[in-house]
This record gives sequence, C-alpha cells and structure tokens, in this order.
Amino acid sequence: SQTIHQWPATLVQPVGSPLSLECTVEGTSNPNLYWYRQAAGRGLQLLFYSVGIGQISSEVPQNLSASRPQDRQFILSSKKLLLSDSGFYLCAWSAESDQPQHFGDGTRLSIL
Amino acid sequence: AQSVTQLDSHVSVSEGTPVLLRCNYSSSYSPSLFWYVQHPNKGLQLLLKYTSAATLVKGINGFEAEFKKSETSFHLTKPSAHMSDAAEYFCVVSARPGKLIFGQGTTLQVKP
Repeated sequence: SQTIHQWPATLVQPVGSPLSLECTVEGTSNPNLYWYRQAAGRGLQLLFYSVGIGQISSEVPQNLSASRPQDRQFILSSKKLLLSDSGFYLCAWSAESDQPQHFGDGTRLSIL
Repeated sequence: AQSVTQLDSHVSVSEGTPVLLRCNYSSSYSPSLFWYVQHPNKGLQLLLKYTSAATLVKGINGFEAEFKKSETSFHLTKPSAHMSDAAEYFCVVSARPGKLIFGQGTTLQVKP
C-alpha cells in the first residue's frame, strides 16, 4: 500500500533562517505531489504541485520554493523565513490529477 | 469559477445522535466533490468522494453524502455520532484536475 511521510513533525525557526521540509511517498510511481499551507482556523491553500521530476507549478507568489529531485520526493524550501510563513504545512499525493489526494501528517512551523 | 461554502463553522451533537454537516458548492461544470476529516495536528483523511456516479455516496466510518444538483449541495451525514468523530471536516470541490478548493471547515464536537 502507499504511504506518505513528512518530516519534521514540528519545527521552530528564527526569522531570516532557511527552511527545508521533506516529503516522500512510498508504494507508487510517478505520483502527483502537492504542498499546502493551513493557517490557524482556515482551510488549505495550495502552494505548489508537481506532475513529474523537475516539474513544479507555483500557485501563489511567496517566499517559498519547491523542488522534486526524485520521483517520490518533494521538498519545500525557503532562503529566509518570514513571520508570515508560520503555519501547518501538508504534503499530499495523488495517482492522477483527477484522483483524490492523500495527505501526510504535516509539519507545524513556528517562526520566532 | 468553482467555490465551496460550509454553512456551519461549528456543530455540536450528543453521542449516538445524527450528524449533519452542510456544504454548498458552485461549479460551472459537473464537479468532483470530496469530504475530508482532520484530527488535531494530523493530515487530512479522505472520507468519501463523488465523481458523477451514484448521487448517494457512502464513505468510511459510517459517513455518507448526497449530491443534489438542483440545490448545489453535498451534505455529509452519519446516523449515530461517536466520540471519535470529533474533528474538523472539510468539503472540497475539484476546480480542475489537481486543483482542489477547500471549504473553511466545520468543527464537529461530540458530547458524551
């Protein structure tokens, strides 16, 4: 069966520091991969999605970037974190674009 | 444009009583609709999906939802609430393949 892993589960970073969050999927090939942010008390906002290695689409302009160095690995990065980058970050995968998405357990990011 | 509105931000029921979580959608074409559940500090779990087959969709954990095109609704129901059902519930519409639009969420409280 397919599984998705995100780490770390929680992260506290100072303003201006870099960020790297990792997401990996097991048990499937060539998945579509997604990064979402969930602000407190709000729904999810799609940040990036990828349909293949090296193919990244950005949904909103922001201080973050994403990369897909391997088929089942999706990384969310920032060179300099802002206070507004705080939130709950979720990675998801789907077999095809029109199939349901399956989510990891998320990373709680706090910026001090 | 596609959108989704969850009509209640908070619903409280007693254990053993029915659950109704309301969702209205807007779509310029026949949409795919989903309900997801999120427990505290966890990712989202797919409860059920509607993809233009049967209008009454059965999901996991005893939940079901009925697609009503005339009312543009996709309400989530369960005959008897369990304490473990307490969580955040999201109604989601697929705007285009890979692009999900999330409602703002409904917090379900289950009282003993």
